[in-house]
Amino acid sequence: DQQVKQNSPSLSVQEGRISILNCDYTNSMFDYFLWYKKYPAEGPTFLISISSIKDKNEDGRFTVFLNKSAKHLSLHIVPSQPGDSAVYFCAASASTGANSKLTFGKGITLSVRP
Amino acid sequence: DTEVTQTPKHLVMGMTNKKSLKCEQHMGHRAMYWYKQKAKKPPELMFVYSYEKLSINESVPSRFSPECPNSSLLNLHLHALQPEDSALYLCASSQDARTRNIQYFGAGTRLSVL
Repeated sequence: DQQVKQNSPSLSVQEGRISILNCDYTNSMFDYFLWYKKYPAEGPTFLISISSIKDKNEDGRFTVFLNKSAKHLSLHIVPSQPGDSAVYFCAASASTGANSKLTFGKGITLSVRP
Repeated sequence: DTEVTQTPKHLVMGMTNKKSLKCEQHMGHRAMYWYKQKAKKPPELMFVYSYEKLSINESVPSRFSPECPNSSLLNLHLHALQPEDSALYLCASSQDARTRNIQYFGAGTRLSVL
């Protein structure tokens, strides 16, 4: 049973346009969400996070939006650049218990066309 | 410096071999993690060490044996693996094991079991 879902396996956008990557979750205990970017032959690299007490967090070209009622978050990249081409993982954790566990989605492959 | 170093990058082993994967971080982090990632799948948590003590074992078969000799090092000892254990093994670390701590990943060890 997938608790974090990234239903679109891939996305292709033109350089300079906006990329919108979506993520849905089912576990209402999740209260912290992260996006990681992964290039081939490298480990996942932290990109941006958001706490459930917020609905938006922005860092440069990257903005994450959280809709708790819909259990949905999205990552906006604007403007998109060819170097953004990678696999993007959405991850979630719950602040219950003493240990953090990240639950990952399957990832979305983003291709930014020059 | 947010580097987590994993060695070796690639490993091929037979089902009767004994081998070890190594992970090192010098960020002063007190939580370290092992993940397994199969192709086209999300990373799946295997073990969590918190302050050098094993705090989470996600029902991993005993042919995988983790070890945390000190706060900077994490090993994964492998013995009598099966071909289905072939995967990318990722190590991560975070400041501690509480939620809302960003996990930093290494590049992984690509393991093939023949």
